[in-house]
Amino acid sequence: EAGVAQSPRYKIIEKRQSVAFWCNPISGHATLYWYQQILGQGPKLLIQFQNNGVVDDSQLPKDRFSAERLKGVDSTLKIQPAKLEDSAVYLCASSLVGLQSSYNEQFFGPGTRLTVL
Amino acid sequence: AQSVSQHNHHVILSEAASLELGCNYSYGGTVNLFWYVQYPGQHLQLLLKYFSGDPLVKGIKGFEAEFIKSKFSFNLRKPSVQWSDTAEYFCAVNTNAGKSTFGDGTTLTVKP
Repeated sequence: EAGVAQSPRYKIIEKRQSVAFWCNPISGHATLYWYQQILGQGPKLLIQFQNNGVVDDSQLPKDRFSAERLKGVDSTLKIQPAKLEDSAVYLCASSLVGLQSSYNEQFFGPGTRLTVL
Repeated sequence: AQSVSQHNHHVILSEAASLELGCNYSYGGTVNLFWYVQYPGQHLQLLLKYFSGDPLVKGIKGFEAEFIKSKFSFNLRKPSVQWSDTAEYFCAVNTNAGKSTFGDGTTLTVKP
């Protein structure tokens, strides 16, 4: 079974530039998550999708971050414009059944390490 | 809002020593509890999980965790660690609404 795919693996940008990350979840997984993991901290949920609808985006800084999951499969997360404090690893995860997602194990991708200079 | 506390940021043990990593959460409702592990250079992966029933759950590689509801705790244990257990360990809580919260992780270093 193929795992969660993410690209790029690394990205270095200047502050105020834009950046986009891509995630392809495990086939058949209805729920998709984007996390931000700052060095020394645990993953912080940014947004959770069930199919192509947003379940939770309460911690997404909507003035600069946006995410979409068209067609309920792969997803993109965008930052525009980036700030120094956005330097982090951005993790994508997926899990089965959305309505009972609290019971389900999350499968994580390798992450994208973003450095903002 | 729910939160998860992992009290030990970095633990260093010798091989064959016993391990206990603390995890406490704050949330008044029903929760599902997880421990995830990240080995060097690898993805986060599930170690074990608790939903209901027996509060002592067993996971992969000889790990176990005990859910103590009265203490809001879900501590991870292993009787005898190996060098290959060197990794970062994350406790996570899911509410019935499906919201996930992770602790800040504990880095375990096992000396051979």
